[in-house]
Amino acid sequence: EAGVAQSPRYKIIEKRQSVAFWCNPISGHATLYWYQQILGQGPKLLIQFQNNGVVDDSQLPKDRFSAERLKGVDSTLKIQPAKLEDSAVYLCASSPLRRQTTYEQYFGPGTRLTVT
Amino acid sequence: GEDVEQSLFLSVREGDSSVINCTYTDSSSTYLYWYKQEPGAGLQLLTYIFSNMDMKQDQRLTVLLNKKDKHLSLRIADTQTGDSAIYFCAETSGGYNKLIFGAGTRLAVHP
Repeated sequence: EAGVAQSPRYKIIEKRQSVAFWCNPISGHATLYWYQQILGQGPKLLIQFQNNGVVDDSQLPKDRFSAERLKGVDSTLKIQPAKLEDSAVYLCASSPLRRQTTYEQYFGPGTRLTVT
Repeated sequence: GEDVEQSLFLSVREGDSSVINCTYTDSSSTYLYWYKQEPGAGLQLLTYIFSNMDMKQDQRLTVLLNKKDKHLSLRIADTQTGDSAIYFCAETSGGYNKLIFGAGTRLAVHP
């Protein structure tokens, strides 16, 4: 079974520029997550989708970050405009939705964003 | 509020056992997880424990859960150099079971 795919793997931009990340979850996984992992910290949830609906975006800085999940499959996360403090690894994860579940999440390799 | 705490660094000799500790705050967590992150890679699920269990063993891994003290530990037997990585403890929180991660424990294995 193919894992969670993310692109690009690395991105360097200047502050105030825009950037977009793409994620393709494991086939059949209904739930998709975007996390921000700042160096030296654990991942922090930005947004959680169930199918193509948002179920938690309480920690998403909505003035600059946006995310969508069209047709309940792929997702994109956008930052516009970027700030220096957005430098981090952006991780996408997915999990199946079934009656008996351990809620385990499967992570992609991440996109490392550097804002200069 | 939600918070997961871990010690930041652990150094062990190859062949010894490693014990990584974690404390969490959400007493309603259904599952608790251990993830492993190697340099430049995403997080890999190592193991998990259901909140009504005290212990779970999976090959070289043993998870102990003290629900009263909200304390979770991961023991790695016969630690190898390939076990060098950052280990994250995570609890589930909220109606949609989002994961709250600790800051991670960096395990260094030396000869």
